[in-house]
Amino acid sequence: DVKVTQSSRYLVKRTGEKVFLECVQDMDHENMFWYRQDPGLGLRLIYFSYDVKMKEKGDIPEGYSVSREKKERFSLILESASTNQTSMYLCASCEPVEAKNIQYFGAGTRLSVL
Amino acid sequence: LAKTTQPISMDSYEGQEVNITCSHNNIATNDYITWYQQFPSQGPRFIIQGYKTKVTNEVASLFIPADRKSSTLSLPRVSLSDTAVYYCLVGDLGGFKTIFGAGTRLFVKA
Repeated sequence: DVKVTQSSRYLVKRTGEKVFLECVQDMDHENMFWYRQDPGLGLRLIYFSYDVKMKEKGDIPEGYSVSREKKERFSLILESASTNQTSMYLCASCEPVEAKNIQYFGAGTRLSVL
Repeated sequence: LAKTTQPISMDSYEGQEVNITCSHNNIATNDYITWYQQFPSQGPRFIIQGYKTKVTNEVASLFIPADRKSSTLSLPRVSLSDTAVYYCLVGDLGGFKTIFGAGTRLFVKA
């Protein structure tokens, strides 16, 4: 069964802290994504990666960076957390065309920045 | 990327058929239509995908008219456990960027 695991379900951090959100997939997928979800706004793409060490900005990359050193792991980094980054963060992975670009999501990390 | 428009919310009763329509007037030739379901405190889950006409699986049916400017997700005989947010997405299979939008919140009542 497909599995995308996010390291934490809930996180509470203070303004200015550096925050790491980790995501691991066990499906050998090439593509991985980070989204944030806020009420009424749906999911918004922060960054995606189509290969190890490759990354592309999504729609709202400001204030975030990512790291993909291994195929199975995609990390989202908040260099200096701010209160407006309080949100639900969702990681996903997918295989491209052959698998119809169906994305598999983790359970999410609810981050609160105080 | 084609923008999609869905109703913000819908109510239904157990046992009824629910149809959620999504508008995507600017759909491109290479675009597919994909629907996801999201329960509270979980990530979205793939339901169904199609290009044209009708697609059916064990969970739902997807109806796409000839002009492909809209699509309808049909959930037969819903139950309380179908209460969720449903997202309609449009994009080509080779694309990396996916626009989820706000989705449709379906509430199934007993």
